[in-house]
Amino acid sequence: GAVVSQHPSWVICKSGTSVKIECRSLDFQATTMFWYRQFPKQSLMLMATSNEGSKATYEQGVEKDKFLINHASLTLSTLTVTSAHPEDSSFYICSAQRTETGELFFGEGSRLTVL
Amino acid sequence: SQQGEEDPQALSIQEGENATMNCSYKTSINNLQWYRQNSGRGLVHLILIRSNEREKHSGRLRVTLDTSKKSSSLLITASRAADTASYFCATDARGAQKLVFGQGTRLTINP
Repeated sequence: GAVVSQHPSWVICKSGTSVKIECRSLDFQATTMFWYRQFPKQSLMLMATSNEGSKATYEQGVEKDKFLINHASLTLSTLTVTSAHPEDSSFYICSAQRTETGELFFGEGSRLTVL
Repeated sequence: SQQGEEDPQALSIQEGENATMNCSYKTSINNLQWYRQNSGRGLVHLILIRSNEREKHSGRLRVTLDTSKKSSSLLITASRAADTASYFCATDARGAQKLVFGQGTRLTINP
């Protein structure tokens, strides 16, 4: 079946540093990918829609300069949390939409802890 | 923004019993999906029901959809300890690509 890989699966960083999270569709092309954030015991909140070759569309309240999204190829989208702070600590999950069928596949998530 | 709400927020039952979770949403949809998430893990897709369907079955899962009430239910029959997880409904609104999740139900199956 279709697989979406996220890397790293967990990361710990110091406050003020930037962290990049990758989302790859391993065996299919994904024109569109989505980034979600999930705080403990809460639901997934959509942060942005990432489209290959164009600028991401951010949800209301999500700072685009804080959460940089790059979708440079049909199989890779990256989320960079810039100048991370402890309140950015969360579980970040991506999903990739298979171009041919529109099906969505989710990654296993990346847990970010900012000290 | 969150599309819908789920109830109950938490449900604890004995193994072998049936578990029912409900989801409500606000806008017209193309599809409604249910996902399971084990603690600290990614999402597992359970079932998709289209807006023109009213009921769907998959193994021990039964999903209903009432578009007039903008609500759906997920029934897990003969629950097992391994069913312990959080369950989320998700909808894709008409005209939009994105999938929006409900608040989720934390299900605990007691052996």
